[in-house]
Amino acid sequence: AQKVTQAQTEISVVEKEDVTLDCVYETRDTTYYLFWYKQPPSGELVFLIRRNSFDEQNEISGRYSWNFQKSTSSFNFTITASQVVDSAVYFCALSVKRTYKYIFGTGTRLKVLA
Amino acid sequence: DADVTQTPRNRITKTGKRIMLECSQTKGHDRMYWYRQDPGLGLRLIYYSFDVKDINKGEISDGYSVSRQAQAKFSLSLESAIPNQTALYFCATSRADGARAGGELFFGEGSRLTVL
Repeated sequence: AQKVTQAQTEISVVEKEDVTLDCVYETRDTTYYLFWYKQPPSGELVFLIRRNSFDEQNEISGRYSWNFQKSTSSFNFTITASQVVDSAVYFCALSVKRTYKYIFGTGTRLKVLA
Repeated sequence: DADVTQTPRNRITKTGKRIMLECSQTKGHDRMYWYRQDPGLGLRLIYYSFDVKDINKGEISDGYSVSRQAQAKFSLSLESAIPNQTALYFCATSRADGARAGGELFFGEGSRLTVL
């Protein structure tokens, strides 16, 4: 079975601080995909990134970066120099090629204080 | 216009009533999904469908049923609503073909259901 754990329920930081959101996944499949989504207070779900299991390169997009480590089954998300607009709930998700079911973690609520 | 459209966006109903949430998409995707979101529980998969004749139960299908009327339409029904089905419901789609198979889910804007 697949599982995604986001142990951090809520994180508060002051604007301009860096923050890392943790994601640990479980699967026995060798081909799988990992995702991060953002849910701002308005409620929509915004896709941030997709990674497949064969690509362990870290990725940077502006202030956002992702660290994928198969050895620890983790796919962590770092926001550098956080801004108030980053305040949202962030979800990590896993899909395996065998089933294409998308399993989500419970989310981390990030509050960035001005 | 949104690529994945959910109706209604908000609904208040009473215990025991039948309710249907509808989802339609213009993305041409084969795969469609229904999730519910509850505070602290994240998004949980209710049902998913890979084509009109392929319907699968997710993690929490009890109390729900679905209908895939066409490639573009996937409806979720609560035959007899109960208060603990109060939640935010999301429909989503994904591609099934080529290099983007296993790609991201595209979500509707959500349907907030309250069962009194």
